[in-house]
Amino acid sequence: AQSVTQPDIHITVSEGASLELRCNYSYGATPYLFWYVQSPGQGLQLLLKYFSGDTLVQGIKGFEAEFKRSQSSFNLRKPSVHWSDAAEYFCAVGPGGYNKLIFGAGTRLAVHP
Amino acid sequence: DVKVTQSSRYLVKRTGEKVFLECVQDMDHENMFWYRQDPGLGLRLIYFSYDVKMKEKGDIPEGYSVSREKKERFSLILESASTNQTSMYLCASSPGGDNQPQHFGDGTRLSIL
Repeated sequence: AQSVTQPDIHITVSEGASLELRCNYSYGATPYLFWYVQSPGQGLQLLLKYFSGDTLVQGIKGFEAEFKRSQSSFNLRKPSVHWSDAAEYFCAVGPGGYNKLIFGAGTRLAVHP
Repeated sequence: DVKVTQSSRYLVKRTGEKVFLECVQDMDHENMFWYRQDPGLGLRLIYFSYDVKMKEKGDIPEGYSVSREKKERFSLILESASTNQTSMYLCASSPGGDNQPQHFGDGTRLSIL
C-alpha cells in the first residue's frame, strides 16, 4: 500500500541554522512527490514537486528537496531558516489517479530567534 | 493564481444538524477534493470529484456526502453532525491530466457541540 512517513512530529531550529525535514514513502512505481507548507490558520501552499529528471529540485522560499530512490526518501532542505518559515510541512506522494495524493502526518517547525 | 475559496473559516453547529461546507474554484479545474485534517493524522481524503456530478469515496467517507452540480463548486455535506466530526476541513482542486499539483483553500474549522 502507498504511504508516506514523516518521522519528526516537531522540530525546533534557531534562526539562520540549516534545516532538513525527512520524508519516506512507500510506492510501487515511480512516485510523484510534493512538499507543501501550511502557515497557521491557512491552507496548504505548494513548495516544490518532483516528477522525473534531476533528483534535486528547487522550490519557492529558498527550499530544495532531493529524491533518493534507493532510500525511498524525499527530504526537504533549506540552508538558512528565517523566522517566517515556522509552519507545518507536509510531504505527499502520488499519483493515485485523478491526481489524488497521500499525505504524511506533517512536521511542525518552530524557529527560535 | 488559482483561487480556491471556502465559504466559512469558522463554523459552529450542533449534534444532529445537517451541515454544508462549500468550496469554489476559479480555474476551471476538473478535479476537486475534500480532506479533513486532524493533529498527528495529516490530511485524510473524504471524497473527490473528477467531473460534474461524478464523485468517488476517499479513505474516510462515512458520515459524509458530496455534491458537484457545477464544475466550479464542490460541497461537503455532514448528514447528521456528530462531535467526532469536529475538525479542520480543507478543499482542494487540480487540473485534469497527470502530474498536476493540488491547490488548497484556507480551510473551515468546524466545531460540533
